[in-house]
Amino acid sequence: SYELTQPLSVSVALGQTARITCGANNIGSKNVHWYQQKPGQAPVLVIYRDNNRPSGIPERFSGSNSGNTATLTISRAQGGDEADYYCLVWDSNIYVFGTGTKVSVL
Amino acid sequence: EVQLLESGGALVQPGGSLRLSCTASGFTFSSFAMNWVRQAPGKGLEWVSGMSTSGGIGTNYADSVKGRFTISRDNSKNTLYLQMNDLRAEDTAVYYCAKDLLAATGYWLDPWGQGTQVTVSS
Repeated sequence: SYELTQPLSVSVALGQTARITCGANNIGSKNVHWYQQKPGQAPVLVIYRDNNRPSGIPERFSGSNSGNTATLTISRAQGGDEADYYCLVWDSNIYVFGTGTKVSVL
Repeated sequence: EVQLLESGGALVQPGGSLRLSCTASGFTFSSFAMNWVRQAPGKGLEWVSGMSTSGGIGTNYADSVKGRFTISRDNSKNTLYLQMNDLRAEDTAVYYCAKDLLAATGYWLDPWGQGTQVTVSS
C-alpha cells in the first residue's frame, strides 16, 4: 500500500517560515492536498492539487510537489497556525493520509 | 453554505453494530461523491470508505473495515450512512463525513462535518 511519511513535528519562530514535507515514492506524479486540524476541530483544506489555495485561506500558505516529496510552506507564521497538518493523495482507488505533523509556533 | 452533520455515534460493546448518519445541506447532495474518515484518540486521520453518486463499483473501503462496514446513501433524504458491524476496540474514533469534489471519488475532501464519537468497549 502507498505510504505518506511526514515529520512528527515542526517548530517555527513567530514570523518565520515553516516547511512540512510529505514523502512517498514518485509522489510528484500525484495530486497532493493538505489539511489543517486544530484541537477539537474538523480538518480544513488549506491546499488542493499541490499548490492551490481554497478561498479564505491566506496567501501565506503555499505548496509544491516534485519527485518523492511534496511540501506545504507556511510563510510569516502566526500563533493561529499552530495545528496538525496532514497530506492526502488518491492511490489505487483509496484515499491515503500522511502520518501528520504537529506545527508549533515559538 | 455547505453543511454536513454526523449523528449516531455511541458507546457499543465489542462485536456490536452501529449505524452512523451524515445529513447534508447547502448543495445538491445527489451530485457528489461522499466519504467517511475516522480519527482514533490521539492518532492521525484514516480514510474509511467512499461512495460515488452511482454507488456500485464507485464504492471503496479501507482494508481495515472491508467486510464489516457498509457505506450507503439516500439521495431523497440528503443523507449518507455507515453501517458498522462486528465492531472492535480499534474502531473507537471520531467519525467524520466529507464531501468529494465531483460525482466520483478521488479528487479531494472538502468540507468535513464536525464528527461523531464511536466508542467500542465492554
